[in-house]
Amino acid sequence: DAGVIQSPRHEVTEMGQEVTLRCKPISGHNSLFWYRQTMMRGLELLIYFNNNVPIDDSGMPEDRFSAKMPNASFSTLKIQPSEPRDSAVYFCASSFEPTGGTDTQYFGPGTRLTVL
Amino acid sequence: AQSVTQLGSHVSVSEGALVLLRCNYSSSVPPYLFWYVQYPNQGLQLLLKYTSAATLVKGINGFEAEFKKSETSFHLTKPSAHMSDAAEYFCAVSSSSNTGKLIFGQGTTLQVKP
Repeated sequence: DAGVIQSPRHEVTEMGQEVTLRCKPISGHNSLFWYRQTMMRGLELLIYFNNNVPIDDSGMPEDRFSAKMPNASFSTLKIQPSEPRDSAVYFCASSFEPTGGTDTQYFGPGTRLTVL
Repeated sequence: AQSVTQLGSHVSVSEGALVLLRCNYSSSVPPYLFWYVQYPNQGLQLLLKYTSAATLVKGINGFEAEFKKSETSFHLTKPSAHMSDAAEYFCAVSSSSNTGKLIFGQGTTLQVKP
């Protein structure tokens, strides 16, 4: 398997622009997670989906952030408008959760976002 | 509510020395516990996990961790550090009621000196 695929790997944009991050989970996995990692705040869960349905979006910073999962093989995280404080590494992870709670999350390589 | 505390944001050891990374958790339900490793410019990778079977869990690369309910701890150890172990290590907690949601600690950076 190719693992979790994220694109782009690096994104540099200017404040106010729209940014879209993409994720393809591992085939057969039914849970997908979006995380943000910064030096100041560490690793934060933004939102996660189970069977394409958002389960918990309490970590989404504000209305500028939105995430979708239109099907089992694709998800997007959108920031509109972007701000310099959104600069971070964004990770997507997926897992197969038949029983809940015990299964390994597999992380993608991350997207390094820089907002100027 | 669940939480994880990793004691020590930076740990430095000499090559060949014992590695001990500390993790304490808080959970009102039986926890599942994980250690992940992150190498520079990469995503996180599972080292090992405890899911209520054996309390001593062996993982990849010679690491192991012991679940101690009385101490609410899940410390990570390795008898002999290699230079390649230099990375950031994250402890995380979940439960059957969380449907897979992990709560991560702040991470511990392990430095290995020659």
